[in-house]
Amino acid sequence: QVQLVQSGAEVKKPGASVKVSCKASGYTFNTYYITWVRQAPGQGLEWMGWISTNSGDTNYAQNLQGRVTMTTDTSTSTAYMELRSLKSDDTAVYYCGRVPFWTGYYVLDYWGQGTLVTVSS
Amino acid sequence: DIQMTQSPPILSASVGDRVTITCRAGQSISSSLAWYQQKPGKAPNLLIYGASTLESGVPSRFSGSGSGTEFTLTISSLQPDDFATYYCQHYNSYPWTFGQGTKVEIK
Repeated sequence: QVQLVQSGAEVKKPGASVKVSCKASGYTFNTYYITWVRQAPGQGLEWMGWISTNSGDTNYAQNLQGRVTMTTDTSTSTAYMELRSLKSDDTAVYYCGRVPFWTGYYVLDYWGQGTLVTVSS
Repeated sequence: DIQMTQSPPILSASVGDRVTITCRAGQSISSSLAWYQQKPGKAPNLLIYGASTLESGVPSRFSGSGSGTEFTLTISSLQPDDFATYYCQHYNSYPWTFGQGTKVEIK
């Protein structure tokens, strides 16, 4: 069965960086995009960007450009999201999701369980 | 950015009720719309894509309609498992954006 398993919760100080992993199983990793979405406490969902697991191409949300980097390791079917220069309003649950891009439907059909990142001094 | 506006923010309903949630886009997004259900402490779950196509495994009491700027998610007969928060998402252009959510609570 398809699974996306994310790394554990993180606590970071303002200005630090965090790197969240998302390990995929149950399907061919390089045939879907991986997208990252975050959700601040009690808030809605915010799209952060996607990465093509085949080519490594990326598309980031403009408000995160310069602070976010998405990468993959196809040998371990793992995607990574690194966010730098953390601020308190980066405190959120970070989700990875699988996108069946070749269908033309850019939706998240499977999601990871989420990783809570807390930014606090 | 295309703003997605959901209404109502909170919907109180009883088991067996027919429930409709609306999502309006700030400009035309054709049929590039998805609906998700999220329960507390859990990741969202895809219900509908392409505005009206039911994701595999999703109960048929869920349906979606609309195109352009106005979309609806309908639950034909609300079940206890359906009390949750629902989000729409467009994927017509970048950035993809979500509505602010509609919480369906027990009346």
